[in-house]
Amino acid sequence: KNEVEQSPQNLTAQEGEFITINCSYSVGISALHWLQQHPGGGIVSLFMLSSGKKKHGRLIATINIQEKHSSLHITASHPRDSAVYICAVKGGSQGNLIFGKGTKLSVKP
Amino acid sequence: NAGVTQTPKFRVLKTGQSMTLLCAQDMNHEYMYWYRQDPGMGLRLIHYSVGEGTTAKGEVPDGYNVSRLKKQNFLLGLESAAPSQTSVYFCASSYSRPEQYFGPGTRLTVT
Repeated sequence: KNEVEQSPQNLTAQEGEFITINCSYSVGISALHWLQQHPGGGIVSLFMLSSGKKKHGRLIATINIQEKHSSLHITASHPRDSAVYICAVKGGSQGNLIFGKGTKLSVKP
Repeated sequence: NAGVTQTPKFRVLKTGQSMTLLCAQDMNHEYMYWYRQDPGMGLRLIHYSVGEGTTAKGEVPDGYNVSRLKKQNFLLGLESAAPSQTSVYFCASSYSRPEQYFGPGTRLTVT
């Protein structure tokens, strides 16, 4: 069983829709990351959170430590949001990041 | 600041050839990492370094070696490339373990 599971694997939305991507993990963690990988391949960090909720522009990330679950929401989605969104948790004995397989989002105009 | 850079961006190797990938960062980060990304799989840690002169094995270290002789550089070597090492390689660096800054990636094909 993967330690970090994301759903859905693929998501197609119409411009303007509200989008939710989910991440569940099975290990104890001290922090969770959401990252965005652009179609060109570059990876950027969106959020790092250990509790509650963070908001940046149209992106909102939440985490429930008790349920070992996090969600990434995108409000008023736009074609430029099309990317792969990756959840990663800091866990394990060495404290390195463990990555999910990613959710590929495509927003159609 | 250039951030994290990787050299080369693309490379094709024949089985058995060797090569070195260079990662450089100008943010004075202590931690540096090498990952590989394969279709249908999450990023997997190959090796990492917690400071100049130190290296440690990650999840998938076999077939790779690394060196961190200077704080700003982290080298990944393949001594005898195999087709299973065809992948996209990402380098990352950080002040502390959780938040990492990624390089643009190196696409390696081994034939």
